[in-house]
Amino acid sequence: NAGVTQTPKFQVLKTGQSMTLQCAQDMNHEYMSWYRQDPGMGLRLIHYSVGAGITDQGEVPNGYNVSRSTTEDFPLRLLSAAPSQTSVYFCASRPPGSFYGYTFGSGTRLTVV
Amino acid sequence: AQKVTQAQTEISVVEKEDVTLDCVYETRDTTYYLFWYKQPPSGELVFLIRRNSFDEQNEISGRYSWNFQKSTSSFNFTITASQVVDSAVYFCALSEPTTSGTYKYIFGTGTRLKVLA
Repeated sequence: NAGVTQTPKFQVLKTGQSMTLQCAQDMNHEYMSWYRQDPGMGLRLIHYSVGAGITDQGEVPNGYNVSRSTTEDFPLRLLSAAPSQTSVYFCASRPPGSFYGYTFGSGTRLTVV
Repeated sequence: AQKVTQAQTEISVVEKEDVTLDCVYETRDTTYYLFWYKQPPSGELVFLIRRNSFDEQNEISGRYSWNFQKSTSSFNFTITASQVVDSAVYFCALSEPTTSGTYKYIFGTGTRLKVLA
């Protein structure tokens, strides 16, 4: 089925470890974004991309890196995990233009101990 | 700065009651879009509706209806005859153009709806 695929669904990291959250979409959407969801804070934008090779920072980018080498993939890298990065992470994609809503992946629940 | 406020953190209703979820937004732009998303207990986010700033017609889809009022900067969501399956967190979101030509989305903090049998 077409959509946004995130892996893994669950992950536990030790403080200081690094890892990559994977995101892939097969809808040929130009725009992709990473959000984190924390209790009482809604969805906050980490990084976004408007096309292959183009990325930019969102509201809470510190501690995260992204790259966009293809239209389909938009991985999120945690450089040195901290307990403050314990959260649920959502990847989303959409066509360009504000008319379109996002299609979201199923989320990755990350715990940093 | 743009902002989306969902003042109701959590609402509990008994099945078959009507319930309205409030969304108030702030923006300086005249062209923008508003969205509602549903996040059921399974965790995924599901798109429900989109409304542009030039269309103030209310919309009804089955038991769901949306009331958009520019005069009060509100985009409220009503569920009629609520059902247990409506239990979820509901997010309101606003998009508006940025100076770089892209669009920025701002989400509210969400309203958790509990429908009790």
